[in-house]
Amino acid sequence: GDSVTQMEGPVTLSEEAFLTINCTYTATGYPSLFWYVQYPGEGLQLLLKATKADDKGSNKGFEATYRKETTSFHLEKGSVQVSDSAVYFCALSRNQGGKLIFGQGTELSVKP
Amino acid sequence: EPEVTQTPSHQVTQMGQEVILRCVPISNHLYFYWYRQILGQKVEFLVSFYNNEISEKSEIFDDQFSVERPDGSNFTLKIRSTKLEDSAMYFCASGHGDRRIEPQHFGDGTRLSIL
Repeated sequence: GDSVTQMEGPVTLSEEAFLTINCTYTATGYPSLFWYVQYPGEGLQLLLKATKADDKGSNKGFEATYRKETTSFHLEKGSVQVSDSAVYFCALSRNQGGKLIFGQGTELSVKP
Repeated sequence: EPEVTQTPSHQVTQMGQEVILRCVPISNHLYFYWYRQILGQKVEFLVSFYNNEISEKSEIFDDQFSVERPDGSNFTLKIRSTKLEDSAMYFCASGHGDRRIEPQHFGDGTRLSIL
């Protein structure tokens, strides 16, 4: 069945460091791919999305490119801030109105 | 910006009791979902609801669970005869249904604690 795998956390970085959180997926066809973020005590917020191969999603300095050949959707940010500390979830959806399938989440902690 | 709202934020219930978790989806959305997240684990899909009926459900969503959209605005998840392992954060989500335009929007969740 479909699945999403993320790198294990926690990831601890210093402020202004470069961030990469790896995400790979297994799915037939061409799913849409998402990154959601969960700040402490809050729900899941959409961070960015990509709906077809080679699409780049971007928001708030975060980027991820849909790589069909490597079935990946890695999240990157050039310079993280303390306020980026949160849990990041990679997810896929295969069809209209379809369920989201999540990775296990990666906790990011950014130190000043 | 419109948002999905969930109540209560925290529910404590004795094992064996029934519990109803409530959600108000975004008003012009057509698809509604429940997910759960057991502490320290991944977010898991429970059920999706469209056109007043269940469109998909997971293996977790057994006869103990039911969903309802009683009045055109609320969307509820009922758990009958709760078990200890039902303790989790339950998230409601809603969406237009076309993932290419707008993905699912989530509420802040209800933390369910079964004693």
